[in-house]
Amino acid sequence: DTGVSQNPRHKITKRGQNVTFRCDPISEHNRLYWYRQTLGQGPEFLTYFQNEAQLEKSRLLSDRFSAERPKGSFSTLEIQRTEQGDSAMYLCASSLSPIGGQETQYFGPGTRLLVL
Amino acid sequence: RKEVEQDPGPFNVPEGATVAFNCTYSNSASQSFFWYRQDCRKEPKLLMSVYSSGNEDGRFTAQLNRASQYISLLIRDSKLSDSATYLCVVAGTYKYIFGTGTRLKVLA
Repeated sequence: DTGVSQNPRHKITKRGQNVTFRCDPISEHNRLYWYRQTLGQGPEFLTYFQNEAQLEKSRLLSDRFSAERPKGSFSTLEIQRTEQGDSAMYLCASSLSPIGGQETQYFGPGTRLLVL
Repeated sequence: RKEVEQDPGPFNVPEGATVAFNCTYSNSASQSFFWYRQDCRKEPKLLMSVYSSGNEDGRFTAQLNRASQYISLLIRDSKLSDSATYLCVVAGTYKYIFGTGTRLKVLA
């Protein structure tokens, strides 16, 4: 399977614990995105990498959230001191910088987080 | 006002019906437009890009009206398998802004 992969697919944790999610983009894609989706809402942008550089962070991404893409390939999203409000689906997407034309993002299956 | 607005539905239609969804956006500088489909508890998947001249892919037709800042999706001859949430996406140079999605249920 050469699509975007995410691990784990599900995570249940207790409030106050730290969690880390991993995203492996499509191999030739240089752009990587993290989104969060809650029930009944569309995905909301969290952060964006071009290669290893983190170029934008949403104000939704509090100090407890950190994302890295150290070698410009896979990325990790860490949430420290989780809160019940962090319960959501965390989606990763990747794309190739367009040379003219539109950029299309391809999504991974997501990591569903439940904070008890 | 939300950047991208959609009627959440649900739209319940019989098999074979034609159904249309609209989506409005607030940023006139938006450059790219898409419709994604999302099945329950799954990731969004690209249905089609939306071009200024309008475009068609089988039973699906997408239109963009830049002057009025809305995009539309028309589904003809609805199938049971079309039941899903349809997400409107508006993008600038890279960031996607999603609508809340419109739920469609096609009934036998």
